[in-house]
Amino acid sequence: GIQVEQSPPDLILQEGANSTLRCNFSDSVNNLQWFHQNPWGQLINLFYIPSGTKQNGRLSATTVATERYSLLYISSSQTTDSGVYFCSGSARQLTFGSGTQLTVLP
Amino acid sequence: GAGVSQSPSNKVTEKGKDVELRCDPISGHTALYWYRQSLGQGLEFLIYFQGNSAPDKSGLPSDRFSAERTGGSVSTLTIQRTQQEDSAVYLCASRDDRVDYEQYFGPGTRLTVT
Repeated sequence: GIQVEQSPPDLILQEGANSTLRCNFSDSVNNLQWFHQNPWGQLINLFYIPSGTKQNGRLSATTVATERYSLLYISSSQTTDSGVYFCSGSARQLTFGSGTQLTVLP
Repeated sequence: GAGVSQSPSNKVTEKGKDVELRCDPISGHTALYWYRQSLGQGLEFLIYFQGNSAPDKSGLPSDRFSAERTGGSVSTLTIQRTQQEDSAVYLCASRDDRVDYEQYFGPGTRLTVT
């Protein structure tokens, strides 16, 4: 099956800093999603982005399908951005990476 | 509109007992998925329902796990003779395959086997 590798595994930022999270896939995926898992465990959809670039407020994402990677950009980070960020992709069921644990300090 | 709902939110059971977990997908979504997330881990696929097709059970970890989806809507995940290693958060997701592959997750059921 597809392998999903996320980096970095852990990231600590000061409030206001920018960051880039990366997701690499071992094979082509025909859909890709980014999620934020909040401290209560709820998975929040950030982006559905099989290819191209999307932006939503302080967050944006880029997927280069031909090179099998995706990037999530967080600008002007806030403490509420803390949590685990997952990328996932596949054809039918999603295969998840192991996540990036983000901590934003006030 | 209403999102994916799951019940119960928490379940504590004794080893060896059977449990049933319920998922109500978003209305009109034809595809439904079950995943499991162990403490500090990513999500592990369990089973996938698509319309009237036979379910994809390739992720079920043992024959103690089963799931059904009645009337193309509500789904129940059953774990028989629970073991301590079954302790995890069980997440359900649904999607509208008339649109795209984007999945939407419920809040999960936290299962603790003592």
